[in-house]
Amino acid sequence: SQKIEQNSEALNIQEGKTATLTCNYTNYSPAYLQWYRQDPGRGPVFLLLIRENEKEKRKERLKVTFDTTLKQSLFHITASQPADSATYLCALLNYGQNFVFGPGTRLSVLP
Amino acid sequence: SAVISQKPSRDICQRGTSLTIQCQVDSQVTMMFWYRQQPGQSLTLIATANQGSEATYESGFVIDKFPISRPNLTFSTLTVSNMSPEDSSIYLCSVGGEHQPQHFGDGTRLSIL
Repeated sequence: SQKIEQNSEALNIQEGKTATLTCNYTNYSPAYLQWYRQDPGRGPVFLLLIRENEKEKRKERLKVTFDTTLKQSLFHITASQPADSATYLCALLNYGQNFVFGPGTRLSVLP
Repeated sequence: SAVISQKPSRDICQRGTSLTIQCQVDSQVTMMFWYRQQPGQSLTLIATANQGSEATYESGFVIDKFPISRPNLTFSTLTVSNMSPEDSSIYLCSVGGEHQPQHFGDGTRLSIL
């Protein structure tokens, strides 16, 4: 069956460290994968998109990698700040289908 | 990026009643999407609403329970019909092209008593 998993429900890290979030998928062949941030009481906000033929994308302190062999995407936040605390969702678009979202990882950056 | 407004932001409803949620976009868009996010869970797509055609529903969602209107390129409504406590959830609308990022409203938090 098709499945998207994110490494953990919650992740606590110390301010200044790099947060690494994982998104694994099974039985999908995504054309591309996206990462979103969701704050409590708000809708998800788009962060980054990476296509199947791209290995890595960067935007300021954010970096996304996409390994179609491992069926995995990693999302990194460098020099993390308490303001980065939120739930992060991966979403993939399978060919011929609509977006499917992962369950999310709740990140807490501790001062 | 598009700005999306949803109304109401929250509501508490009685079992067996219906509620219509409105989604207004500040620009014309072809595709609008309706999602459900149950407490502590991720987003599940309910349906895709394209202007000028019937909404397309995902497996597990039916038009009788979640009728959708899309009268123009900036507006859509989702009705949650004959509500039960299991319908307590956050309902979100979003816009985005077929291969574009999605932009979301802040959702409607619905509680059924």
